[in-house]
Amino acid sequence: GAVVSQHPSRVICKSGTSVKIECRSLDFQATTMFWYRQFPKQSLMLMATSNEGSKATYEQGVEKDKFLINHASLTLSTLTVTSAHPEDSSFYICSALSGTGDSSTFGSGTRLTVV
Amino acid sequence: GENVEQHPSTLSVQEGDSAVIKCTYSDSASNYFPWYKQELGKGPQLIIDIRSNVGEKKDQRIAVTLNKTAKHFSLHITETQPEDSAVYFCAAINQAGTALIFGKGTTLSVSS
Repeated sequence: GAVVSQHPSRVICKSGTSVKIECRSLDFQATTMFWYRQFPKQSLMLMATSNEGSKATYEQGVEKDKFLINHASLTLSTLTVTSAHPEDSSFYICSALSGTGDSSTFGSGTRLTVV
Repeated sequence: GENVEQHPSTLSVQEGDSAVIKCTYSDSASNYFPWYKQELGKGPQLIIDIRSNVGEKKDQRIAVTLNKTAKHFSLHITETQPEDSAVYFCAAINQAGTALIFGKGTTLSVSS
């Protein structure tokens, strides 16, 4: 079946630095990928839709200059958290559309801790 | 936009019992409804999904029912086992027809 690989699984960074998270579709091409954020014991909140070769579409309230998304190939989307602050600490999860186009496969998530 | 409500937030059952989780959605145009299981520290895993052209789908101990008129769908797990313990999320496609909008999740605990 479809597999989405997400790296790193955990990262700790200092406040003010930037962190890049990668999301790869391993055995299929994904023209569309999604980035979600999940706080402890809460649901997944859609941050943005990443389209290969074009600008990402951000959800209301998500700062596009802070959460930079690049989808330069059909198998890779990256999320860069710029000038990270402790309030950015969260679980970030990517997903990719697969199969018929509405079925999403999720990555294993990235636990970001900003100290 | 699409809004998905999920109940209950927590559910505790004895091993072998059945568990039912219910969700409602707001956008009548939504036509795809997956259910995901998430274990601690991991990404969600698709366990079953249903499209709007069917009313029920079953896969071994798991079934999903859909009532498009009432805009609600439910997950049914029979003969629950301790390894079924996890957080379960329902979802529906957003208005753009691409991204998934999730319910708040149900923490299922199965005690042996």
